[in-house]
Amino acid sequence: DAKTTQPNSMESNEEEPVHLPCNHSTISGTDYIHWYRQLPSQGPEYVIHGLTSNVNNRMASLAIAEDRKSSTLILHRATLRDAAVYYCILRDVSGGSYIPTFGRGTSLIVHP
Amino acid sequence: DAGVIQSPRHEVTEMGQEVTLRCKPISGHNSLFWYRQTMMRGLELLIYFNNNVPIDDSGMPEDRFSAKMPNASFSTLKIQPSEPRDSAVYFCASSLVQGSGANVLTFGAGSRLTVL
Repeated sequence: DAKTTQPNSMESNEEEPVHLPCNHSTISGTDYIHWYRQLPSQGPEYVIHGLTSNVNNRMASLAIAEDRKSSTLILHRATLRDAAVYYCILRDVSGGSYIPTFGRGTSLIVHP
Repeated sequence: DAGVIQSPRHEVTEMGQEVTLRCKPISGHNSLFWYRQTMMRGLELLIYFNNNVPIDDSGMPEDRFSAKMPNASFSTLKIQPSEPRDSAVYFCASSLVQGSGANVLTFGAGSRLTVL
Protein backbone atom coordinates (compact mmCIF):
# COMPACT_ATOMS: atom_id res chain seq x y z
CA ASP A 1 0.00 0.00 0.00
CA ALA A 2 1.11 3.58 -0.69
CA LYS A 3 2.35 5.77 2.16
CA THR A 4 0.45 8.55 3.94
CA THR A 5 1.71 11.60 5.82
CA GLN A 6 -0.11 13.21 8.74
CA PRO A 7 0.77 15.89 11.30
CA ASN A 8 1.89 14.45 14.63
CA SER A 9 -0.67 16.34 16.64
CA MET A 10 -3.48 18.88 16.45
CA GLU A 11 -5.49 20.75 19.02
CA SER A 12 -9.07 21.90 19.05
CA ASN A 13 -11.61 23.39 21.39
CA GLU A 14 -14.75 21.55 22.29
CA GLU A 15 -17.71 22.11 19.94
CA GLU A 16 -15.50 23.56 17.22
CA PRO A 17 -14.94 21.87 13.86
CA VAL A 18 -11.71 19.94 13.34
CA HIS A 19 -10.02 19.33 10.00
CA LEU A 20 -7.44 16.54 10.07
CA PRO A 21 -5.28 16.47 6.93
CA CYS A 22 -3.62 13.52 5.22
CA ASN A 23 -1.27 13.55 2.25
CA HIS A 24 -1.02 10.54 -0.04
CA SER A 25 0.75 11.80 -3.13
CA THR A 26 1.57 8.30 -4.45
CA ILE A 27 -2.00 7.03 -4.28
CA SER A 28 -3.03 4.68 -7.09
CA GLY A 29 -6.37 4.53 -8.85
CA THR A 30 -7.44 1.45 -6.91
CA ASP A 31 -6.56 2.73 -3.43
CA TYR A 32 -9.39 3.46 -1.03
CA ILE A 33 -8.71 6.11 1.63
CA HIS A 34 -9.53 4.85 5.11
CA TRP A 35 -9.61 6.66 8.43
CA TYR A 36 -9.44 4.95 11.79
CA ARG A 37 -9.16 6.34 15.28
CA GLN A 38 -7.77 4.90 18.47
CA LEU A 39 -9.20 6.06 21.77
CA PRO A 40 -7.00 5.71 24.86
CA SER A 41 -6.54 2.07 25.93
CA GLN A 42 -8.64 0.76 23.05
CA GLY A 43 -8.04 -0.83 19.66
CA PRO A 44 -8.33 1.27 16.50
CA GLU A 45 -11.85 1.67 15.20
CA TYR A 46 -13.09 2.42 11.71
CA VAL A 47 -14.31 5.97 11.07
CA ILE A 48 -14.92 6.44 7.37
CA HIS A 49 -13.61 5.56 3.91
CA GLY A 50 -13.86 6.85 0.37
CA LEU A 51 -12.53 6.42 -3.13
CA THR A 52 -13.15 9.59 -5.13
CA SER A 53 -16.20 11.42 -3.85
CA ASN A 54 -16.68 13.15 -0.51
CA VAL A 55 -18.37 10.95 2.08
CA ASN A 56 -20.46 11.62 5.17
CA ASN A 57 -21.50 9.34 8.00
CA ARG A 58 -22.68 9.76 11.56
CA MET A 59 -19.12 10.08 12.87
CA ALA A 60 -17.44 12.37 10.39
CA SER A 61 -17.05 13.64 6.84
CA LEU A 62 -14.27 12.83 4.42
CA ALA A 63 -13.24 15.40 1.85
CA ILE A 64 -11.07 14.05 -0.98
CA ALA A 65 -9.05 16.33 -3.20
CA GLU A 66 -9.86 16.24 -6.89
CA ASP A 67 -6.44 14.73 -7.72
CA ARG A 68 -6.83 12.33 -4.74
CA LYS A 69 -3.37 13.19 -3.45
CA SER A 70 -4.75 14.46 -0.18
CA SER A 71 -7.82 14.11 2.00
CA THR A 72 -9.28 15.71 5.10
CA LEU A 73 -11.25 14.12 7.90
CA ILE A 74 -13.78 16.59 9.27
CA LEU A 75 -15.26 16.35 12.74
CA HIS A 76 -18.05 18.90 12.64
CA ARG A 77 -18.24 19.55 16.39
CA ALA A 78 -15.41 18.14 18.44
CA THR A 79 -16.24 16.66 21.82
CA LEU A 80 -13.90 15.55 24.59
CA ARG A 81 -14.64 11.97 23.55
CA ASP A 82 -13.07 12.68 20.15
CA ALA A 83 -9.63 12.98 21.73
CA ALA A 84 -7.78 10.11 20.07
CA VAL A 85 -5.09 9.21 17.56
CA TYR A 86 -6.45 9.40 14.02
CA TYR A 87 -4.90 7.23 11.32
CA CYS A 88 -5.21 7.71 7.57
CA ILE A 89 -4.31 4.62 5.53
CA LEU A 90 -4.71 3.46 1.96
CA ARG A 91 -6.24 0.11 1.06
CA ASP A 92 -5.38 -1.31 -2.35
CA VAL A 93 -8.18 -3.63 -3.39
CA SER A 94 -6.72 -4.75 -6.70
CA GLY A 95 -4.37 -7.61 -7.44
CA GLY A 96 -4.74 -9.24 -4.04
CA SER A 97 -2.48 -6.82 -2.16
CA TYR A 98 -4.42 -5.91 0.95
CA ILE A 99 -1.69 -5.19 3.50
CA PRO A 100 -2.87 -2.30 5.70
CA THR A 101 0.05 -0.29 7.09
CA PHE A 102 -0.53 2.29 9.82
CA GLY A 103 1.78 5.25 10.38
CA ARG A 104 1.97 7.29 13.59
CA GLY A 105 -1.29 9.09 12.98
CA THR A 106 -2.39 12.46 14.34
CA SER A 107 -2.97 12.82 18.06
CA LEU A 108 -6.02 15.08 18.50
CA ILE A 109 -6.23 17.05 21.73
CA VAL A 110 -9.61 18.57 22.55
CA HIS A 111 -9.76 21.38 25.09
CA PRO A 112 -12.91 21.93 27.14
CA ASP B 1 -21.90 -9.77 16.40
CA ALA B 2 -19.55 -9.66 19.40
CA GLY B 3 -16.74 -8.26 17.31
CA VAL B 4 -13.17 -9.50 17.32
CA ILE B 5 -12.47 -11.32 20.57
CA GLN B 6 -8.97 -11.41 22.02
CA SER B 7 -7.66 -13.21 25.07
CA PRO B 8 -6.11 -12.72 27.49
CA ARG B 9 -6.63 -8.98 27.91
CA HIS B 10 -3.60 -8.74 30.17
CA GLU B 11 -0.68 -11.10 30.60
CA VAL B 12 2.29 -10.71 32.90
CA THR B 13 5.00 -13.31 32.57
CA GLU B 14 8.67 -13.82 33.24
CA MET B 15 11.40 -13.79 30.66
CA GLY B 16 11.83 -17.16 29.01
CA GLN B 17 8.24 -18.27 29.42
CA GLU B 18 5.98 -19.17 26.52
CA VAL B 19 3.13 -16.77 25.76
CA THR B 20 0.09 -17.58 23.66
CA LEU B 21 -2.32 -14.89 22.54
CA ARG B 22 -5.67 -15.85 21.05
CA CYS B 23 -8.04 -14.26 18.58
CA LYS B 24 -11.53 -15.04 17.34
CA PRO B 25 -12.32 -13.00 14.21
CA ILE B 26 -15.74 -11.84 13.13
CA SER B 27 -17.75 -14.66 11.59
CA GLY B 28 -17.65 -14.49 7.80
CA HIS B 29 -14.45 -12.46 7.63
CA ASN B 30 -11.77 -14.07 5.47
CA SER B 31 -8.67 -12.12 6.50
CA LEU B 32 -6.94 -11.81 9.85
CA PHE B 33 -4.14 -9.52 10.91
CA TRP B 34 -1.87 -9.48 13.97
CA TYR B 35 -0.40 -6.10 14.99
CA ARG B 36 1.93 -5.05 17.78
CA GLN B 37 1.85 -1.55 19.29
CA THR B 38 4.57 0.12 21.33
CA MET B 39 5.32 3.75 22.08
CA MET B 40 8.61 3.51 20.22
CA ARG B 41 7.43 1.82 17.02
CA GLY B 42 3.72 2.57 16.83
CA LEU B 43 1.35 0.04 15.26
CA GLU B 44 3.30 -2.64 13.37
CA LEU B 45 1.81 -5.38 11.22
CA LEU B 46 3.26 -8.74 12.22
CA ILE B 47 1.43 -11.23 10.01
CA TYR B 48 -1.58 -11.45 7.73
CA PHE B 49 -3.76 -14.46 6.90
CA ASN B 50 -6.17 -14.80 4.00
CA ASN B 51 -8.57 -17.77 4.06
CA ASN B 52 -6.53 -19.23 6.95
CA VAL B 53 -3.29 -19.18 4.94
CA PRO B 54 -0.39 -16.95 6.03
CA ILE B 55 0.20 -14.48 3.20
CA ASP B 56 2.80 -12.11 4.61
CA ASP B 57 4.83 -12.70 7.78
CA SER B 58 7.62 -10.27 6.99
CA GLY B 59 6.74 -8.26 10.07
CA MET B 60 7.33 -11.13 12.50
CA PRO B 61 10.37 -9.99 14.50
CA GLU B 62 12.22 -13.29 14.72
CA ASP B 63 11.87 -17.03 15.05
CA ARG B 64 10.61 -16.71 18.60
CA PHE B 65 7.32 -15.52 17.16
CA SER B 66 4.90 -17.86 15.39
CA ALA B 67 1.27 -17.55 14.35
CA LYS B 68 -1.29 -20.11 13.30
CA MET B 69 -4.83 -20.07 12.00
CA PRO B 70 -6.13 -23.64 12.13
CA ASN B 71 -9.63 -22.61 11.06
CA ALA B 72 -11.64 -19.57 10.07
CA SER B 73 -12.72 -18.81 13.63
CA PHE B 74 -9.47 -18.98 15.58
CA SER B 75 -5.88 -17.75 15.46
CA THR B 76 -2.97 -17.79 17.89
CA LEU B 77 0.20 -15.75 18.21
CA LYS B 78 2.89 -17.52 20.20
CA ILE B 79 6.12 -16.14 21.63
CA GLN B 80 8.65 -18.69 22.84
CA PRO B 81 10.79 -17.80 24.70
CA SER B 82 9.50 -14.38 25.66
CA GLU B 83 11.81 -11.43 26.33
CA PRO B 84 11.23 -8.06 28.05
CA ARG B 85 11.41 -6.26 24.68
CA ASP B 86 8.30 -8.19 23.61
CA SER B 87 6.26 -6.15 26.08
CA ALA B 88 3.58 -4.41 24.02
CA VAL B 89 -0.11 -4.40 23.20
CA TYR B 90 -0.94 -7.00 20.58
CA PHE B 91 -4.00 -6.40 18.42
CA CYS B 92 -5.87 -8.79 16.20
CA ALA B 93 -8.03 -7.44 13.37
CA SER B 94 -10.25 -9.11 10.80
CA SER B 95 -11.72 -8.03 7.49
CA LEU B 96 -13.86 -9.32 4.67
CA VAL B 97 -11.52 -8.84 1.75
CA GLN B 98 -13.24 -8.55 -1.59
CA GLY B 99 -11.75 -7.43 -4.85
CA SER B 100 -14.26 -4.67 -5.32
CA GLY B 101 -14.85 -3.69 -1.73
CA ALA B 102 -13.19 -1.32 0.67
CA ASN B 103 -12.03 -4.03 3.09
CA VAL B 104 -12.70 -2.30 6.40
CA LEU B 105 -10.72 -3.62 9.36
CA THR B 106 -12.31 -4.44 12.70
CA PHE B 107 -9.90 -4.56 15.63
CA GLY B 108 -10.11 -6.42 18.90
CA ALA B 109 -9.52 -4.74 22.25
CA GLY B 110 -5.93 -5.97 22.38
CA SER B 111 -3.80 -8.11 24.68
CA ARG B 112 -1.38 -6.19 26.87
CA LEU B 113 1.75 -8.27 27.42
CA THR B 114 4.33 -7.49 30.09
CA VAL B 115 7.46 -9.61 30.19
CA LEU B 116 9.49 -9.15 33.37
